[in-house]
Amino acid sequence: DQQVKQNSPSLSVQEGRISILNCDYTNSMFDYFLWYKKYPAEGPTFLISISSIKDKNEDGRFTVFLNKSAKHLSLHIVPSQPGDSAVYFCAASRLNQGGSEKLVFGKGTKLTVNP
Amino acid sequence: DTEVTQTPKHLVMGMTNKKSLKCEQHMGHRAMYWYKQKAKKPPELMFVYSYEKLSINESVPSRFSPECPNSSLLNLHLHALQPEDSALYLCASSQDGTDRETQYFGPGTRLLVL
Repeated sequence: DQQVKQNSPSLSVQEGRISILNCDYTNSMFDYFLWYKKYPAEGPTFLISISSIKDKNEDGRFTVFLNKSAKHLSLHIVPSQPGDSAVYFCAASRLNQGGSEKLVFGKGTKLTVNP
Repeated sequence: DTEVTQTPKHLVMGMTNKKSLKCEQHMGHRAMYWYKQKAKKPPELMFVYSYEKLSINESVPSRFSPECPNSSLLNLHLHALQPEDSALYLCASSQDGTDRETQYFGPGTRLLVL
């Protein structure tokens, strides 16, 4: 049972336009959400995060929106650049009983930004 | 330095072999993680070490044996693996694993079990 879902396996966008990547989650215990970017042959790199007490977090060209009632978050990239082409993973976090943090990932969305 | 290194980059092993994956970080992090990622699947958590103690084992089969000899090193010992264990094994680290922290990932070891 997938707790974090990215229903679009791929997305293609023109350079300069907005990229919107979506993510849904099912477990209401998640209270911290992250986006990671992954290039081929590299490990995931952290992009941006949002706590469940917020509904928006912005960092340069990247903005994450959280809709808790809908259990939905999205990553907006504007303007999109060819170097943004990568696989984007949505991840959700909760603390386990022992106090350690556990990260659950979605399957990823492959973003292609065309020049 | 936000680098997590993993060796080897690629590993091919038979089902009777014993091998080890290594992970190292010098960021002073006290939490380290092993993830397994199969093709077209998300990374799945296997183990978490916090202050060199195993804090999470996600019901991983005993043919995978983690070890944290010190705060900078994390090993994953492999023995009697099955072909379905072929995957990308990712190591990550974070400050101490107890608060909302960024996990820093290594490039992974791509394992093929024949």
